[in-house]
Amino acid sequence: DAGVIQSPRHEVTEMGQEVTLRCKPISGHDYLFWYRQTMMRGLELLIYFNNNVPIDDSGMPEDRFSAKMPNASFSTLKIQPSEPRDSAVYFCASSSTLGVNQPQHFGDGTRLSIL
Amino acid sequence: SQQGEEDPQALSIQEGENATMNCSYKTSINNLQWYRQNSGRGLVHLILIRSNEREKHSGRLRVTLDTSKKSSSLLITASRAADTASYFCATPMLGSGNTGKLIFGQGTTLQVKP
Repeated sequence: DAGVIQSPRHEVTEMGQEVTLRCKPISGHDYLFWYRQTMMRGLELLIYFNNNVPIDDSGMPEDRFSAKMPNASFSTLKIQPSEPRDSAVYFCASSSTLGVNQPQHFGDGTRLSIL
Repeated sequence: SQQGEEDPQALSIQEGENATMNCSYKTSINNLQWYRQNSGRGLVHLILIRSNEREKHSGRLRVTLDTSKKSSSLLITASRAADTASYFCATPMLGSGNTGKLIFGQGTTLQVKP
């Protein structure tokens, strides 16, 4: 079975540029999560979707960050304009609601470096 | 504030030894999950223990949960070099119901020397 697929795996760009991260969740999963991981702050939940609808975006750090889920098989996280402090590894995860307490399945992340 | 906090932050052992990692949390939970993260990869779910369970096993993994102390431990027996990774505990956010919204601890970095 294909897991959660993220692209690109690495992104290096200059400050001020727009960055778009992509995620394809596991087919049939109803929940999609975007996380950011840094050494200083650990793993932070940015936003999550249920059935393509954003449910909680309280973790989104600023208006420069936006996320969309136009359909059940695709989501994007966009940063515009990007800043050096946005450098981190961004993970997408998905989970099923078939039964309670379902584990989350993570992609391998996008390592983002803003110069 | 952090829901789950692991200790130690780092652990280095020899192959064949057992590794124990601890997790403390602050509020009531209905389950606690452990994840592993290999360098450069995403997190992988290892095991879930429900609040009405005290102990659970999966292969070389043993997880305990003490809800009175709000703590859990992960024991890896007969460790292997391939167990080298970071280990995270995760607990559901209050009020998240079945959403699976989790709060992750800072993790324990385990190094198993061959």
